[in-house]
Amino acid sequence: GDSVTQMEGPVTLSEEAFLTINCTYTATGYPSLFWYVQYPGEGLQLLLKATKADDKGSNKGFEATYRKETTSFHLEKGSVQVSDSAVYFCALRAKNRDDKIIFGKGTRLHILP
Amino acid sequence: NAGVTQTPKFQVLKTGQSMTLQCAQDMNHNSMYWYRQDPGMGLRLIYYSASEGTTDKGEVPNGYNVSRLNKREFSLRLESAAPSQTSVYFCASSDGTGAGNTIYFGEGSWLTVV
Repeated sequence: GDSVTQMEGPVTLSEEAFLTINCTYTATGYPSLFWYVQYPGEGLQLLLKATKADDKGSNKGFEATYRKETTSFHLEKGSVQVSDSAVYFCALRAKNRDDKIIFGKGTRLHILP
Repeated sequence: NAGVTQTPKFQVLKTGQSMTLQCAQDMNHNSMYWYRQDPGMGLRLIYYSASEGTTDKGEVPNGYNVSRLNKREFSLRLESAAPSQTSVYFCASSDGTGAGNTIYFGEGSWLTVV
């Protein structure tokens, strides 16, 4: 079945460091891919998405490119801030399937000032 | 700009008690969902409703029931709470079943069963 695998955390970085959170997926066909962010005590918010191969989603300085050949959707940011500390979830939603979105287990990011 | 609203935010139950988590969305979405979030497990789908009047089981439906009361509201009921149901519950909605449609989440309900 469909699945999402993302790097385990926690990930601890210093402010202004470069961030990569790896995400790979297994799915039949070509799903849409999402990154959600969860700040402490809050629900999940959509960070960015890509709906087809080679698409790049971007928002708030974060980027992720839909790579069909490597079945990946890695999240990157060039210079992280303390305010980026949160849990990040990679997710997929398959086309022509029942109405479900599959989440990875989440990666906790902690940015040190 | 309410979006998805769920209540209560916090609840403590004794084993065997029942309760209902309420959820409403004001975005005129067809699809609604209930997820639970546990440490190290990510989000797991309990039930979903693709349209008013329909509900389907997700990954972990045992011990739960749902009601899609109307297009706006989707409730989750625990008939006889168990400690294994201690979790954070999220309601969500989406404006369609297309793969590109975004799912929007409520702020969560923290449930503890003692």
